[in-house]
Amino acid sequence: GENVEQHPSTLSVQEGDSAVIKCTYSDSASNYFPWYKQELGKGPQLIIDIRSNVGEKKDQRIAVTLNKTAKHFSLHITETQPEDSAVYFCAAGGSQGNLIFGKGTKLSVKP
Amino acid sequence: GAVVSQHPSWVICKSGTSVKIECRSLDFQATTMFWYRQFPKQSLMLMATSNEGSKATYEQGVEKDKFLINHASLTLSTLTVTSAHPEDSSFYICSASREEHTQYFGPGTRLTVL
Repeated sequence: GENVEQHPSTLSVQEGDSAVIKCTYSDSASNYFPWYKQELGKGPQLIIDIRSNVGEKKDQRIAVTLNKTAKHFSLHITETQPEDSAVYFCAAGGSQGNLIFGKGTKLSVKP
Repeated sequence: GAVVSQHPSWVICKSGTSVKIECRSLDFQATTMFWYRQFPKQSLMLMATSNEGSKATYEQGVEKDKFLINHASLTLSTLTVTSAHPEDSSFYICSASREEHTQYFGPGTRLTVL
């Protein structure tokens, strides 16, 4: 079935460093890849997404890269700040119009 | 744009009672709404998908008679947990979609069943 693997499950960085979270997906027909940030006790917030007709997308300190051949996509956060601390989920668009989620990465940014 | 609200944000109820959770898309019309359940430190588990005016499609293992979903309009979907029991205690999150795959999530509802 459709599956999304996400690594690492936890990530700790110093303030100002970069953070990278990687995902792989199984369904080669997937063409939409969003990233969500979830703070404790809140719903997930869409922070960036990419469709398969582009290889990279950037929004200020956040970027997402997509390698369709390898079925990999990654989230890059530069100049991390303590407020970036949260759980990040990747997802891939499924065949039923749904999203297949990764298991999440808990990012801790230490001041 | 793309704001989704949920009400209530938290609810405590007695075992055996029913609880209704509302999900509204505030500034757009949602062709599809989704209901998820999330356990502590876990990912989101899709429960059901609903389109306005039609019956919801439930994921395998989700009891449709226990989790009643009504999608009355393009901006409102409700989830009713019937005859709730302590094992139904969880964080329930809805999302709304206005184009294929793009989902905007609500803030979630914390349900505690005593």
